[in-house]
Amino acid sequence: NAGVTQTPKFRVLKTGQSMTLLCAQDMNHEYMYWYRQDPGMGLRLIHYSVGEGTTAKGEVPDGYNVSRLKKQNFLLGLESAAPSQTSVYFCASSSGTGGYNEQFFGPGTRLTVL
Amino acid sequence: QQPVQSPQAVILREGEDAVINCSSSKALYSVHWYRQKHGEAPVFLMILLKGGEQKGHEKISASFNEKKQQSSLYLTASQLSYSGTYFCGTVLSGTYKYIFGTGTRLKVLA
Repeated sequence: NAGVTQTPKFRVLKTGQSMTLLCAQDMNHEYMYWYRQDPGMGLRLIHYSVGEGTTAKGEVPDGYNVSRLKKQNFLLGLESAAPSQTSVYFCASSSGTGGYNEQFFGPGTRLTVL
Repeated sequence: QQPVQSPQAVILREGEDAVINCSSSKALYSVHWYRQKHGEAPVFLMILLKGGEQKGHEKISASFNEKKQQSSLYLTASQLSYSGTYFCGTVLSGTYKYIFGTGTRLKVLA
């Protein structure tokens, strides 16, 4: 089992460019999450999904879009990157609702927007 | 809405004990604890549920006071490997939104 994997590990963008971050899990988990973590700060929920074909907004959704076309994949898109989106992005998954099940995290993607 | 943790930071010597607190202004139905080492992803430590049920992977103890909307993590006989940032987390009532606490940086010195 690879667990939760994220692609890419590092990325540098210029302001206004777009990109997609890919999260994949092989644990057959229903729930998936995207978080961002700014330096010295905690994790903030961007978007989440409670099953294939579903997505919902988290705490800081502005400037991001997501899709969950396949159960094992959760994509995070930045349509027009801004320096304020410089952060480390973590994907996580859980077998059931996050309230009662542990979340398994991917290794993170370090994104810098110039 | 973000749970507040205290202390913000603590430094210990190996073998010393520490308590990390997590307090919420909203009703808590469950509390999770995670540890994150520098440059790494958070790792699950424990879930505490209403009614007293606990699920964890490590020999770390914790308490959950539902009435006070608080949880505490107890680190006893600390080891160097305990160093990192500890986060509590919970789901906002009536939603599936997960929210992490403010974090506590813990450093254990030899």
